[in-house]
Amino acid sequence: AQSVAQPEDQVNVAEGNPLTVKCTYSVSGNPYLFWYVQYPNRGLQFLLKYITGDNLVKGSYGFEAEFNKSQTSFHLKKPSALVSDSALYFCAVRDYSGGYQKVTFGTGTKLQVIP
Amino acid sequence: DTEVTQTPKHLVMGMTNKKSLKCEQHMGHRAMYWYKQKAKKPPELMFVYSYEKLSINESVPSRFSPECPNSSLLNLHLHALQPEDSALYLCASSQDGGASTDTQYFGPGTRLTVL
Repeated sequence: AQSVAQPEDQVNVAEGNPLTVKCTYSVSGNPYLFWYVQYPNRGLQFLLKYITGDNLVKGSYGFEAEFNKSQTSFHLKKPSALVSDSALYFCAVRDYSGGYQKVTFGTGTKLQVIP
Repeated sequence: DTEVTQTPKHLVMGMTNKKSLKCEQHMGHRAMYWYKQKAKKPPELMFVYSYEKLSINESVPSRFSPECPNSSLLNLHLHALQPEDSALYLCASSQDGGASTDTQYFGPGTRLTVL
C-alpha cells in the first residue's frame, strides 16, 4: 500500500518568514500526491496536487510544493507566512487498495504562524 | 464551483436516537465519500459510492448506514450509536473515483456528539 509520512506534529514560524511543511512518501509506481489544509472546526480544503510534469507545483493561497523523487519528498512551502495560514495540514497519496482507488492521509502537521 | 454542502453543522443525539447526515454537491461528480475524523487526527474513510453504487465499505459497523439517492446526494443514517462515535463526519466528492488523478473536494463536516 502507498503511504505518506509527516515527521513534524507541529511547525512554528514567524509571520513573514518562509515556511516548510514536510512530507515523505512511499509508493510503488507513479506517486499521485496531494496537500490539504484544515482550519479549526472545518472540512479539508484542497491546496494542490502532483501528478506528473514540473517538480514545482503551485497551488491555492500562495502555497507551492516541491516534488523530489530522489528524496521521496513532497514538501509544502510558502515564501512568506501569514497568521491566517495557521491550520492543520495534511499530505495525502492516491492509493490503490482493495480493488479501488482511495486517498491515504498523513498524520497531519499543525502550523502555527506567530505574529 | 467546488462546493460540497453538509447538514446539519452540529448534531447531538442519544444512543437510542435515529438521525441522518446529509451531503450535497452540484459539480457533476460521480463519486462521493464519507469520512470520520477524530480531533487532531487524519480523516478515516468509511464509505465510497461510485455512480450511485456502494463500492467501498471500510468495515464500518452496521449502526452507520449510507444511502445515495441520486448522483448529487449522499446520506448517512445513524442508529444506536456509541459515545465513541462522536467525531467530525466529512463528506467528499470527486469526478469519478476511478482515476489516479481524481481530486476529492470536502464539505465542512458535521460535528456529531453522542451522549
